[in-house]
Amino acid sequence: DVKVTQSSRYLVKRTGEKVFLECVQDMDHENMFWYRQDPGLGLRLIYFSYDVKMKEKGDIPEGYSVSREKKERFSLILESASTNQTSMYLCASNSGQGISGYTFGSGTRLTVV
Amino acid sequence: GENVEQHPSTLSVQEGDSAVIKCTYSDSASNYFPWYKQELGKRPQLIIDIRSNVGEKKDQRIAVTLNKTAKHFSLHITETQPEDSAVYFCAASMDSSYKLIFGSGTRLLVRP
Repeated sequence: DVKVTQSSRYLVKRTGEKVFLECVQDMDHENMFWYRQDPGLGLRLIYFSYDVKMKEKGDIPEGYSVSREKKERFSLILESASTNQTSMYLCASNSGQGISGYTFGSGTRLTVV
Repeated sequence: GENVEQHPSTLSVQEGDSAVIKCTYSDSASNYFPWYKQELGKRPQLIIDIRSNVGEKKDQRIAVTLNKTAKHFSLHITETQPEDSAVYFCAASMDSSYKLIFGSGTRLLVRP
């Protein structure tokens, strides 16, 4: 069974802090994605990556960056956290070989105070 | 880019009734349409998907229909049960391996 692990379930950070959200998958998947989930807005794509050291902007990349130095790890970085980045963050991976479906992590609920 | 709209935002049905959730998409290049179910406090899980060369797909009590001309697709749940209560998300993509663009979600409540 594919495992996508997000390092923290709950996180509280102060405005202006640099925040790292980590995501690790254990099935050698090529593709990894970061979404944020807000009530009434669904899941919005922040960044994604189809290969190591590769990244592409999603629909809402402002205020975020990502890092993919190793195939299994995809990190989301909030350069200077703001209160409007309080949200649930979901990481997902996909094999990239025509196999359907994402595997999601359990999510990180980030609160910026 | 792709935009996916989903309706209704909330849906309440009596146990045993049917539930229908509808989505429209904007990019005619999209040809993969999955549906995810998210139970309270859990991660989204794929429940069914359809590709553009198919008009309808069924899996037990759930079915998905696709109208490429009108750019809309729907999820149908028959004989609803309390355990069907969850938030359902539709999504669209150019390919099953490509980025998914999600709808805003439908909260389904099945009343016993």
